[in-house]
Amino acid sequence: QQQVKQSPQSLIVQKGGISIINCAYENTAFDYFPWYQQFPGKGPALLIAIRPDVSEKKEGRFTISFNKSAKQFSLHIMDSQPGDSATYFCAAAMEYGNKLVFGAGTILRVKS
Amino acid sequence: EPEVTQTPSHQVTQMGQEVILRCVPISNHLYFYWYRQILGQKVEFLVSFYNNEISEKSEIFDDQFSVERPDGSNFTLKIRSTKLEDSAMYFCASSAPSGGAWEQYFGPGTRLTVT
Repeated sequence: QQQVKQSPQSLIVQKGGISIINCAYENTAFDYFPWYQQFPGKGPALLIAIRPDVSEKKEGRFTISFNKSAKQFSLHIMDSQPGDSATYFCAAAMEYGNKLVFGAGTILRVKS
Repeated sequence: EPEVTQTPSHQVTQMGQEVILRCVPISNHLYFYWYRQILGQKVEFLVSFYNNEISEKSEIFDDQFSVERPDGSNFTLKIRSTKLEDSAMYFCASSAPSGGAWEQYFGPGTRLTVT
C-alpha cells in the first residue's frame, strides 16, 4: 500500500514532442504528489507538485494531471527538449513533514 | 538560491568501518531527511528528523545507523559498521514549515563505496 508504481521505465521522445510519464498509488492517505528530475551524479530536484484538491497544475512546459478517483497522476512535458533528458521520479507523501515514497523512475531521452 | 550541501561527495571505506556523512540543510528549514539510492534503483527513505528527534524511520534504518544534529547547521548520518550492501548514494533533504512547504529539497549526495 506504500508503493507508487511508475511507468514507463524508459521513454524516447523527439525534440518538440510531448513526454508523458504515469504514476499510480494505492494508499488514499497520500495527499502530496511531487515530481523530481535527476541528472546523472546529481540529487533529485523538485520539479512540480500537486495536492489532490486540484486536477491539474501547470508550470511552464510541465503539467501534472491528477485523477483522484483512479488514484493516478501523470507528468506531461510539452515541447520536450534535449536538455530535459534525465530520470524523472514521481513521489507521494501522507502528511506534512513525512517521508516521500518514490516511484521507480523513468529515464527520458529527448532526441534532437 | 539556498541549497542543501553534503560532504564528502565520495567516501570509500572498508567493510566494518564507521562512516559519518555530513549535510548542511537550508538554513530556515526544520525538517531533515536521509534517503539512499542504490545504483540504478529508486530513492528510498531512511529517516526523518524534527525538533532534535527522529520522527520516522524505515526498516532499512537499523541499529547500525544513527542521526544527529550536533549544532545549528549540520545534520549527520553515521553508519557504525559498514556492510557491502551499504554502498549507495546517500541524499540529505530538508523542508520548511510554511505554505507549500512539504517541498523537500535534496542535496547533491554522497557516494558511499564499501569495499
